[in-house]
Amino acid sequence: GAGVSQSPSNKVTEKGKDVELRCDPISGHTALYWYRQSLGQGLEFLIYFQGNSAPDKSGLPSDRFSAERTGGSVSTLTIQRTQQEDSAVYLCASSLSGTHSYNEQFFGPGTRLTVL
Amino acid sequence: AQKITQTQPGMFVQEKEAVTLDCTYDTSDQSYGLFWYKQPSSGEMIFLIYQGSYDEQNATEGRYSLNFQKARKSANLVISASQLGDSAMYFCAMSLGNAGNMLTFGGGTRLMVKP
Repeated sequence: GAGVSQSPSNKVTEKGKDVELRCDPISGHTALYWYRQSLGQGLEFLIYFQGNSAPDKSGLPSDRFSAERTGGSVSTLTIQRTQQEDSAVYLCASSLSGTHSYNEQFFGPGTRLTVL
Repeated sequence: AQKITQTQPGMFVQEKEAVTLDCTYDTSDQSYGLFWYKQPSSGEMIFLIYQGSYDEQNATEGRYSLNFQKARKSANLVISASQLGDSAMYFCAMSLGNAGNMLTFGGGTRLMVKP
């Protein structure tokens, strides 16, 4: 079956512009996660969805970052007024459920964001 | 807050030999899961192996095994019979059983397999 897909694979934008990153999880997976991977900060958790609700937004680095999930499926991560420090690879993952620690998270290929 | 530490930024291993990648963790929770992921140069994160905090036996998956020492809070990954394709970044990660299971990652170890 299809894995987690993300689009675009690469995004170059100018400082101050808004960007939207999309994630299509594995069908039937109720939990969806966004992470960010950058040279200076390693892999950081951003936000978690169980169904369409986001019980944990604690990892969002600022109020310029927001995310939503519709229909229990596709999720969009939006970064407003991008800054150069937002440059990173944004990874999406999904799992069957967010309620058990043994649920493996399957990762997408990531979106590489470069802010000029 | 939970923390994962990987003390080996880079390691070399000879092809066909075994290698151990170190991982220590810190949490006050009793219920947690430990994961290892492989990230080749292509960038995708590949799940390798899982160990639950209540599992009494060490997890094994093919050439991968997890040396789980709960009292020492360590979860080292052992790769047997290394192959050239094992060259990659390896990340140790932890999830908590009651916190939505987001992963906290270590800094990673870059493994290079020599022919």
